[in-house]
Amino acid sequence: AQSVTQPDIHITVSEGASLELRCNYSYGATPYLFWYVQSPGQGLQLLLKYFSGDTLVQGIKGFEAEFKRSQSSFNLRKPSVHWSDAAEYFCAVGRGGAQKLVFGQGTRLTINP
Amino acid sequence: DTEVTQTPKHLVMGMTNKKSLKCEQHMGHRAMYWYKQKAKKPPELMFVYSYEKLSINESVPSRFSPECPNSSLLNLHLHALQPEDSALYLCASSLSLGETQYFGPGTRLLVL
Repeated sequence: AQSVTQPDIHITVSEGASLELRCNYSYGATPYLFWYVQSPGQGLQLLLKYFSGDTLVQGIKGFEAEFKRSQSSFNLRKPSVHWSDAAEYFCAVGRGGAQKLVFGQGTRLTINP
Repeated sequence: DTEVTQTPKHLVMGMTNKKSLKCEQHMGHRAMYWYKQKAKKPPELMFVYSYEKLSINESVPSRFSPECPNSSLLNLHLHALQPEDSALYLCASSLSLGETQYFGPGTRLLVL
């Protein structure tokens, strides 16, 4: 069965600093991979997705992620975080395309002023 | 219009009540989903509809009853819930099964 691991439960970075959130997946076939962001009490917003092709994908709000098949990873990066980036970030793998999403446990991002 | 809307935003109900959650999208999407999210946990899939037919039921208790009356509307009927059913209920839609899912803001449910 597929699974997603986000090793970091909570990360704190200073405003303006770079960010990398880790995501490792377990899936037998070529995965459909996603990063979603959730602000407190809100729904999930899609940041970016990878289905195939270029392994470096660009998303909204200045985020990017790199798919590395050899490491089974899909890490999320941002060169300079803003206070508004504070939120919960979920990595997800899709089975049957994106039919059934399996989410990681999430990483809570705190931004220091 | 790239929005999934959910009503109500908040709902408090007793264990003997019957209530319904509503989800709408006007993006022409033909697949719609219900998720349950407990505090500090990731969303968990409950139901998937494709072309108004139930495609996936993730062994959800029968006190949760989904309904898809048309391609734009998805309901979740609630009856005889338990306090442990208190959670954020998220709706999502996608162009078709297997395509990227877009989420609504959720309904926060409290069962007393």
